[in-house]
Amino acid sequence: GAVVSQHPSRVICKSGTSVKIECRSLDFQATTMFWYRQFPKQSLMLMATSNEGSKATYEQGVEKDKFLINHASLTLSTLTVTSAHPEDSSFYICSARSGRLVSYNEQFFGPGTRLTVL
Amino acid sequence: SQQGEEDPQALSIQEGENATMNCSYKTSINNLQWYRQNSGRGLVHLILIRSNEREKHSGRLRVTLDTSKKSSSLLITASRAADTASYFCATCGGYNAGNMLTFGGGTRLMVKP
Repeated sequence: GAVVSQHPSRVICKSGTSVKIECRSLDFQATTMFWYRQFPKQSLMLMATSNEGSKATYEQGVEKDKFLINHASLTLSTLTVTSAHPEDSSFYICSARSGRLVSYNEQFFGPGTRLTVL
Repeated sequence: SQQGEEDPQALSIQEGENATMNCSYKTSINNLQWYRQNSGRGLVHLILIRSNEREKHSGRLRVTLDTSKKSSSLLITASRAADTASYFCATCGGYNAGNMLTFGGGTRLMVKP
């Protein structure tokens, strides 16, 4: 199946720093990428949807200036958590979808990035 | 906000028993998908059932969909300790809804050896 990677897998940073998380589709072109956030023992909450070459669409309640999303190519999307605070500590998961794959409706998920802000 | 509610939130069974998880949703869907997540890991896609399908099988997995009741169930037969994980249903509204997935709260399954 299609493979999506995330980097880094785990990051610990001080409050006030910015953290960039990369999401890559390794063997297919991702026309759309999604970013989710998951708190411990909770479900995934969609943060934003990004289409290659256009601005991301953020879900209600998600701060655009706080969570910067860039989808500059068909294989890479980045999420930058700016001026991170302890409440931003969470598990961030990306997924990717390609309109060219047979499984049009299927999203392929990355392994997640554990962010801990001290 | 979450579309689906999953029931039960946690389930503990013995190896060899069957595990049934239920998912209810509120709006119309194009398809419904089930995912598995091991602790601290990413999601693994298990099965997709379209709105015009009623039942689907994949190995030891059986998924049903009742669109009139807006509910779905995931049955894992002859469970194994390795099936221990969290299971999420996710509804997809289809192309006109941007093919976005909305996840349920999940069921934490523990299979005791």
